[in-house]
Amino acid sequence: QKEVEQNSGPLSVPEGAIASLNCTYSDRGSQSFFWYRQYSGKSPELIMSIYSNGDKEDGRFTAQLNKASQYVSLLIRDSQPSDSATYLCAVKQAAGNKLTFGGGTRVLVKP
Amino acid sequence: DTEVTQTPKHLVMGMTNKKSLKCEQHMGHRAMYWYKQKAKKPPELMFVYSYEKLSINESVPSRFSPECPNSSLLNLHLHALQPEDSALYLCASKTGGEGDTQYFGPGTRLTVL
Repeated sequence: QKEVEQNSGPLSVPEGAIASLNCTYSDRGSQSFFWYRQYSGKSPELIMSIYSNGDKEDGRFTAQLNKASQYVSLLIRDSQPSDSATYLCAVKQAAGNKLTFGGGTRVLVKP
Repeated sequence: DTEVTQTPKHLVMGMTNKKSLKCEQHMGHRAMYWYKQKAKKPPELMFVYSYEKLSINESVPSRFSPECPNSSLLNLHLHALQPEDSALYLCASKTGGEGDTQYFGPGTRLTVL
């Protein structure tokens, strides 16, 4: 059973602070990693993808990947109330068309 | 443009009804997906079409019947659903190559009475 694990939260963060979200995965053959943001009642929205070890930055978001330790993380800098959402980690193996999702981490940014 | 569209946005149906959900993308993606999502749970894969052929069926009950008329369209036909089938139904499509990124449509909120 290929698994993706996330802390369900809620992760409560003061406005302006850094939110740090973690995700671990069990399949060493995983090649592609994604973070989706999902507001309540809405569909998942892609915010970051990462394929190589190291950091990838996009605006206030930084994704970090460590394949040896089998984890991927997401940092949200200068957190805003509009960042309050559930963040889904998704992992894809090298072959095939399936994504495996973690259970999601709920983030609450308090003004 | 990474737009996937879905209709209808909301659907209420009885257990004896037949209805269809529709999904469309014009990004040239060749893989399309149906997911079911219950509240506070991650999306649950139902079907995958690759190059208009069904490539994955995650043991979904036969009351859900997918159809891929062409590379841009994906339908989900619903018949004799149960109240527990009430959920958000998401369509997604995928780029190819190294990207392999799935983009989701806005979803259809289905309520079965």
